[in-house]
Amino acid sequence: QVQLQESGPGLVKPSQTLSLTCTVSGGSISSGGYYWSWIRQHPGKGLEWIGYIYYSGSTYYNPSLKSRVTISVDTSKNQFSLKLSSVTAADTAVYYCARDTSRWWFDPWGQGTLVTVSS
Amino acid sequence: QSALTQPPSASGSPGQSVTISCTGTSSDVGGYNYVSWYQQHPGKAPKLMIYEVSKRPSGVPDRFSGSKSGNTASLTVSGLQAEDEADYYCSSYAGSNNLGVVFGGGTKLTVL
Repeated sequence: QVQLQESGPGLVKPSQTLSLTCTVSGGSISSGGYYWSWIRQHPGKGLEWIGYIYYSGSTYYNPSLKSRVTISVDTSKNQFSLKLSSVTAADTAVYYCARDTSRWWFDPWGQGTLVTVSS
Repeated sequence: QSALTQPPSASGSPGQSVTISCTGTSSDVGGYNYVSWYQQHPGKAPKLMIYEVSKRPSGVPDRFSGSKSGNTASLTVSGLQAEDEADYYCSSYAGSNNLGVVFGGGTKLTVL
């Protein structure tokens, strides 16, 4: 079955850019039919959808983060990536990648990766 | 503050039933049948339990059921078991406001 795995630095300095990659196994991003999302969870808090990308490169971002977010896809590596610019301590969270079926529900999810923004 | 409102906690004894509510608006929960529910155990990733209001993914026990009335969706867990103790989050498409997907703040379910 499809599995997702996040990777990237666990510590980012304020004002810098957070960069994470999600590697998909057990299925091909380029086969279409699914959207590939990033979701985050602040420590002890609820979930926040960041945005998604389709294999073609089309994207849809959460308006509250849109000015700082870029999601890209590399179908040759079966990966998609998140870049969040100008980070502050408020961006400290566990970041998850997940598959969206185009019906606005997420399954499966990656295990998540904690990113701390601190100098 | 989360877009969808859930009670912070719920509880029940083994074998009992518990219902968790998720209240939104006509722009999200009430406007679309794209409500889903996720179970999250401590330190783990969320797991899909219900999608499109009342559909259950393969492998999810039929003790879990979902429904919706107006702007409020509900998750009912019947025949509570110890392993059901977890955080539960609802989500909904919020296309009317161009917000994509919005989540509830989560409900901590305790099995007494």
